[in-house]
Amino acid sequence: GIQVEQSPPDLILQEGANSTLRCNFSDSVNNLQWFHQNPWGQLINLFYIPSGTKQNGRLSATTVATERYSLLYISSSQTTDSGVYFCAVVGGSYIPTFGRGTSLIVHP
Amino acid sequence: SQTIHQWPATLVQPVGSPLSLECTVEGTSNPNLYWYRQAAGRGLQLLFYSVGIGQISSEVPQNLSASRPQDRQFILSSKKLLLSDSGFYLCAWSVPSPLSPLHFGNGTRLTVT
Repeated sequence: GIQVEQSPPDLILQEGANSTLRCNFSDSVNNLQWFHQNPWGQLINLFYIPSGTKQNGRLSATTVATERYSLLYISSSQTTDSGVYFCAVVGGSYIPTFGRGTSLIVHP
Repeated sequence: SQTIHQWPATLVQPVGSPLSLECTVEGTSNPNLYWYRQAAGRGLQLLFYSVGIGQISSEVPQNLSASRPQDRQFILSSKKLLLSDSGFYLCAWSVPSPLSPLHFGNGTRLTVT
């Protein structure tokens, strides 16, 4: 099946800093999503982005499908951005596959 | 609009006891339904998915089973829980298309003692 790798696995920032999270995948995809898992375990859908670039406030994402990667940008980070960020892809099997996530801690 | 309900939110069960977790979706018909488990250490593991009533596919053989008795109801069960069944269980749904996004419920935190 399709392999999904996320980097870095852990990230610690000071409030106000910017960061870039990466998701690499091993095959062509029909669908790619970024999720934020908050400290209570809820998975919040950030972006549905199989290709191109999208922005939502301080967050933006870019997927380059031909090169099999996606990037999530967090600007001016806040403590509420803390949590785990997951990338999930759907390839030819039509089954969503998740990366292992990036754990982000933002200190005040 | 579509919503997904998952309950209970937390559950503490003794080893050897049965389990039933329920998930329902409102506002859509014939959704794809999924059960994921997240053990300590972060990764999400797909347990079961369903593309229709009575149609269940198992991704990982284990002590659990799933059923879909109605179009928008998905149930995760076990006859006898093991300590290793502890974890965070998440139900999700999507429109039946590989191009559609996945939507999650709030999860059930299961502790087997």
